Amino acid sequence: KQEVTQIPAALSVPEGENLVLNCSFTDSAIYNLQWFRQDPGKGLTSLLLIQSSQREQTSGRLNASLDKSSGRSTLYIAASQPGDSATYLCAVYRPGGSEKLVFGKGTKLTVNP
Amino acid sequence: EAQVTQNPRYLITVTGKKLTVTCSQNMNHEYMSWYRQDPGLGLRQIYYSMNVEVTDKGDVPEGYKVSRKEKRNFPLILESPSPNQTSLYFCASSLFNEQFFGPGTRLTVL
Repeated sequence: KQEVTQIPAALSVPEGENLVLNCSFTDSAIYNLQWFRQDPGKGLTSLLLIQSSQREQTSGRLNASLDKSSGRSTLYIAASQPGDSATYLCAVYRPGGSEKLVFGKGTKLTVNP
Repeated sequence: EAQVTQNPRYLITVTGKKLTVTCSQNMNHEYMSWYRQDPGLGLRQIYYSMNVEVTDKGDVPEGYKVSRKEKRNFPLILESPSPNQTSLYFCASSLFNEQFFGPGTRLTVL
C-alpha cells in the first residue's frame, strides 16, 4: 500500500529565507507527483505537476524535484514571503491507469515578516 | 473561467437526514472524484468516476453514494448521515493526471 510522508509537519522561517519541503513515498512505481498549496479553510491549489518521466518542474520561485528510485520529492521555495504561509501537500498518482491520488498529511509553513 | 464548483459550501444537518453535495466542472474533464479531509488523517478518496456512468470506490466509500449521469456533474449523496461524516469535502476533476479541486464543503452532522 502506497504511503506518503511529509516532514516536517510544521516549519517556521523568517522572510527571505530559502527553504525545502520534503515528501517521501513507499512505492516507487508512481505515475505522477503533484504539489498543492492549501490556505486555511480553503481548497487546494495546484502548484507543480511532475510527470513520471521528468525529474523536476519550475514555476517562479518554486522548484520541485522527483527521484523515483529513492522515493523522494522536494519542493524548493526561494526567497520566501509571508504570503507563502500555507499548508503544502504532496500527492502521488498510483499507476495502472487509475488517477487515484494518495496524499501526504502536509507541511504547515509559516513565513514571519 | 475554468473551475470546479461545489454547493453548498457549508452545511449543518442532523443524523439520518439525507443530503446531496453537488459538484460541477466546466473543463470537459472525464475524470472526477470526491475526497474528505480530516485532522490527522489528511485527504482520503471516497469515490471516483472515469466517465459518464462509470464510478468506483475509493479508500473510504462506506456511507456515501455517487452518480455520474452527465460529464460535468458528480454529486455526492449521504443517504443517512452520521456524526463521523462530519468533515471537509472536496470534489476534483482531471483530464491528463493533473487534478483540479473545488473550494470544499464543510459538513457538520449533529
